[in-house]
Amino acid sequence: SQTIHQWPATLVQPVGSPLSLECTVEGTSNPNLYWYRQAAGRGLQLLFYSVGIGQISSEVPQNLSASRPQDRQFILSSKKLLLSDSGFYLCAWEQDRAKDTQYFGPGTRLTVL
Amino acid sequence: SQKIEQNSEALNIQEGKTATLTCNYTNYSPAYLQWYRQDPGRGPVFLLLIRENEKEKRKERLKVTFDTTLKQSLFHITASQPADSATYLCALRDTGGFKTIFGAGTRLFVKA
Repeated sequence: SQTIHQWPATLVQPVGSPLSLECTVEGTSNPNLYWYRQAAGRGLQLLFYSVGIGQISSEVPQNLSASRPQDRQFILSSKKLLLSDSGFYLCAWEQDRAKDTQYFGPGTRLTVL
Repeated sequence: SQKIEQNSEALNIQEGKTATLTCNYTNYSPAYLQWYRQDPGRGPVFLLLIRENEKEKRKERLKVTFDTTLKQSLFHITASQPADSATYLCALRDTGGFKTIFGAGTRLFVKA
């Protein structure tokens, strides 16, 4: 069966510090991968998606970046965090063939102080 | 502009009643529409998908309808239980796209 992991679960970082969030998927190959951010009481904002290794599409211009160094690994990064980067970050995958269901990870709660 | 809207007000119902949640969209041509459940501090969990050529889909106590003329989907939970209390998100995938667009969700509270 397929599983998706995210870490860390929670993170408190000072403004201006770097960020690296990691997401890995097990039990499938060539998934489409997604990073979302959810502000408190708000919907999911799509940040990045990837349909293959090294292929990244950005949805929102900001100080975040994403990379996909391996088929089942998706990394969200920032060189300098802003207060507005606080939120709940969710990684999701879907089977490319089906493209009809997204499976979400447990999320990372990021607080920037 | 493109929008997907869900009732931002929480829905409070009594146990055993039917909960009905609404999702409206504008300026999309969705290939399908999905409903997810999200509990506090957790990632969304997929519940149901309904395609553009389907009018209704059922799964146990859940029922989804899809009206492409009204540009609306209704999500029903029959015989609701306190364990159904959560936020329910609707989401759509535009025809030919890679992106799933999510609504902000409606919080449901089921009282015993």
